[in-house]
Amino acid sequence: AQSVSQHNHHVILSEAASLELGCNYSYGGTVNLFWYVQYPGQHLQLLLKYFSGDPLVKGIKGFEAEFIKSKFSFNLRKPSVQWSDTAEYFCAVTAKGNTGKLIFGQGTTLQVKP
Amino acid sequence: GAGVSQSPSNKVTEKGKDVELRCDPISGHTALYWYRQSLGQGLEFLIYFQGNSAPDKSGLPSDRFSAERTGGSVSTLTIQRTQQEDSAVYLCASSLALSKDTQYFGPGTRLTVL
Repeated sequence: AQSVSQHNHHVILSEAASLELGCNYSYGGTVNLFWYVQYPGQHLQLLLKYFSGDPLVKGIKGFEAEFIKSKFSFNLRKPSVQWSDTAEYFCAVTAKGNTGKLIFGQGTTLQVKP
Repeated sequence: GAGVSQSPSNKVTEKGKDVELRCDPISGHTALYWYRQSLGQGLEFLIYFQGNSAPDKSGLPSDRFSAERTGGSVSTLTIQRTQQEDSAVYLCASSLALSKDTQYFGPGTRLTVL
């Protein structure tokens, strides 16, 4: 069965620090990969997604993620975080050709101190 | 246009009672998904619809859970004889079609079973 693992459960950074959140998935076939974000009191929204092509994907608000197939990883990065990036971040995967149902990681809470 | 809406936003019920949760997807979206977000289990897939049919009910936790979708639009998730472990935020998402399209999430219904 597919699973997604996020290694960092709670991350605290100061503004302007660099961010990297780890995500590994377990699935032998071809996958689609996603990062979703949930700001306090708001809906889940898509940050970025990877389906094929360039493994370095750029998303909204300066976020990017790199798909490394050999490592089954899809880590999220941002060079310089802002206080407004405080949120919960979820990595998710769907199997290609599947129904599109998302399998989520446990989430990482990011707290950015001003 | 309007996003995914869900009602009620909060529901408090007594153990053993039945509850109905409603989801209005984005107009024109043929795929609709239900997920559950709880402290112990994270974000879990429950069921999805393509049009009015539900080919994948694999995520429903027990036969107390059921869902339907009518007219290719509104969906209702019903939980019969609620238990305390059903307490969670129930999220609905919709997408234009299955698999590759971005899923847009609603604000969720927070269910508390006393």
